[in-house]
Amino acid sequence: DAGVIQSPRHEVTEMGQEVTLRCKPISGHNSLFWYRQTMMRGLELLIYFNNNVPIDDSGMPEDRFSAKMPNASFSTLKIQPSEPRDSAVYFCASSFPGRNYEQYFGPGTRLTVT
Amino acid sequence: QQPVQSPQAVILREGEDAVINCSSSKALYSVHWYRQKHGEAPVFLMILLKGGEQKGHEKISASFNEKKQQSSLYLTASQLSYSGTYFCGSLNQAGTALIFGKGTTLSVSS
Repeated sequence: DAGVIQSPRHEVTEMGQEVTLRCKPISGHNSLFWYRQTMMRGLELLIYFNNNVPIDDSGMPEDRFSAKMPNASFSTLKIQPSEPRDSAVYFCASSFPGRNYEQYFGPGTRLTVT
Repeated sequence: QQPVQSPQAVILREGEDAVINCSSSKALYSVHWYRQKHGEAPVFLMILLKGGEQKGHEKISASFNEKKQQSSLYLTASQLSYSGTYFCGSLNQAGTALIFGKGTTLSVSS
């Protein structure tokens, strides 16, 4: 199994630019999570999808952030416009049906906004 | 409500033991432990359900005291490979997703 796939692995962009992060969950997993990790705030849940439907987006910091899951094998997290405080590592994770506690994380995307 | 972990950091020599604590101000029905090695993604270690404990990984075990709303992770005879940041997690109010503590960084040296 290839595991959760994320792209790009690293992204450097200028403030004000649009950033799109991509995630392919493990086949057969029906839950998908987007997290942001920083030294100050730790690992924060941004949004959670179940069967491609957003269930909980209360962690999305503001309207500049949006996430989609058009099908079971693909999700995007978009930041528009990006700001320096968005710099972080963004993880995507997926889990089997009924096992949301056992999440499989992707390698993460390290985002730097200058 | 984010779980609170202590200590923030632990430094050990190989073979020494360590305990990492996780507590919550709200009722805990389950506790979830993950480990993240430097530069890598978090990896699931184990889940503890009400009143029970589940040993899931190497010489790492955990206990769960639901009355005290806390869990402890025990690392016995630590190895270099144990180094990393350990996170505990609890389910959010809806029971749908995990809220992680800020983590405890464990450094094991030879």
